[in-house]
Parts: sequence; C-alpha cells; structure tokens
Amino acid sequence: AQKVTQAQTEISVVEKEDVTLDCVYETRDTTYYLFWYKQPPSGELVFLIRRNSFDEQNEISGRYSWNFQKSTSSFNFTITASQVVDSAVYFCALSLETGANNLFFGTGTRLTVIP
Amino acid sequence: DAGITQSPRHKVTETGTPVTLRCHQTENHRYMYWYRQDPGHGLRLIHYSYGVKDTDKGEVSDGYSVSRSKTEDFLLTLESATSSQTSVYFCAISDHSGTYNEQFFGPGTRLTVL
Repeated sequence: AQKVTQAQTEISVVEKEDVTLDCVYETRDTTYYLFWYKQPPSGELVFLIRRNSFDEQNEISGRYSWNFQKSTSSFNFTITASQVVDSAVYFCALSLETGANNLFFGTGTRLTVIP
Repeated sequence: DAGITQSPRHKVTETGTPVTLRCHQTENHRYMYWYRQDPGHGLRLIHYSYGVKDTDKGEVSDGYSVSRSKTEDFLLTLESATSSQTSVYFCAISDHSGTYNEQFFGPGTRLTVL
C-alpha cells in the first residue's frame, strides 16, 4: 500500500528563517512520482514540484529547494529566508506509474511565518 | 493556469437531499479526479475517470457516484447527503503525457450538509 507521512502538523518560524518540511513515503513500486503542493489561505492547490523515482538530483528554485533521498524514502522541502507569503499548508503527494495515477496525499504541514 | 472550473463553489444542503457537483475543463485532458479534503486526512480520492463513460472508484467512494458523458465534464453526485460528507471537494485533471503525471486542481467546492 502507498502512504505519505508528514509528521509535522504545524510549524511556526520568524520571517527570514529557513524551514524544512519533512515528507516520508512508502511504496513497493519502483517507478513513482513525488509532488509538493501549496495551499494558501485562499484555498487553491498550487503545484510546486514533481520528481520521478529515477531522478534523485536535488532541485533549487529560488528560495525553494527539495532533497530527494531514496535510501530514506524522503522528499523534504526547504524554504530559505522565509517570507509571510510562504504561510500556507504544504502537501507532499505520491503517484504511481501503474493504475489510475491518482495522488496519495500526506496530511499536510501548516507553515506560519511570523513577521 | 489550467482551465478547470467547479460549480457551485459553495453549497449548504440538508441531510437526505441529493447534491451534484460539476467539474468542467477546457484542457481536453483524459483523466479527471474527484478528491475530498478533510482536516487530518489531507486529500483523498473519491472517484476518477479515464475517459468518457469510463470511471472507477477511489479510496472513499461510498455514498458517491460519478458520471462523465463528455470529455470536459465530470459530475460528482451525492445521492442522499449525510453530515459526514461535509467537506471541501476538489476536481483535478491530468493528461499523463510522457512521464509527468502532473495533476492540476480546480478551485474547490465547499459543501456543508446540515
């Protein structure tokens, strides 16, 4: 069975601090995809990044970076120099190449950036 | 932004009444999904469609039915709404091109069952 665990329910940081959101996944499939979505207070789901299981290269996009480690089944997300606009709920998700390709979501981490 | 709309955006209804939520896309994507979002659960798949008239159940399908008569429309029906179906419902689409499997989400529908 597939499972995504986001153990951090809520995190608060002061503006300009760095913060890492943890994501641990479980699957027996060898081909899979990992995602991060952002849900700001307005409620929509914003796609941030996609990674496939064969690409362990870390990625950086501006203040955002992602660390994918198959050895620990983790796909962690770091925001550097956090800003108030980063306040949101962040979801990690997993999909498989087989089947319906639906997303298996973690329960989300609520990040609050304090000015 | 992907062209996905959901209607209605908000609805309050009473227990036992039927409710239909609509998802409309302008991207011509083959796959469409309905998820519900509840505190402590993230998003969970209700039903999905892999083509016109082709649908299948997801993780939490009890009490829901779906229909897809056109590529662009995917309807979610609660035959007899219950308070446990109070939730935020999201539609998503995907074309599964290449290896991307990326899903785009609609704005959501907040449903309250009294």
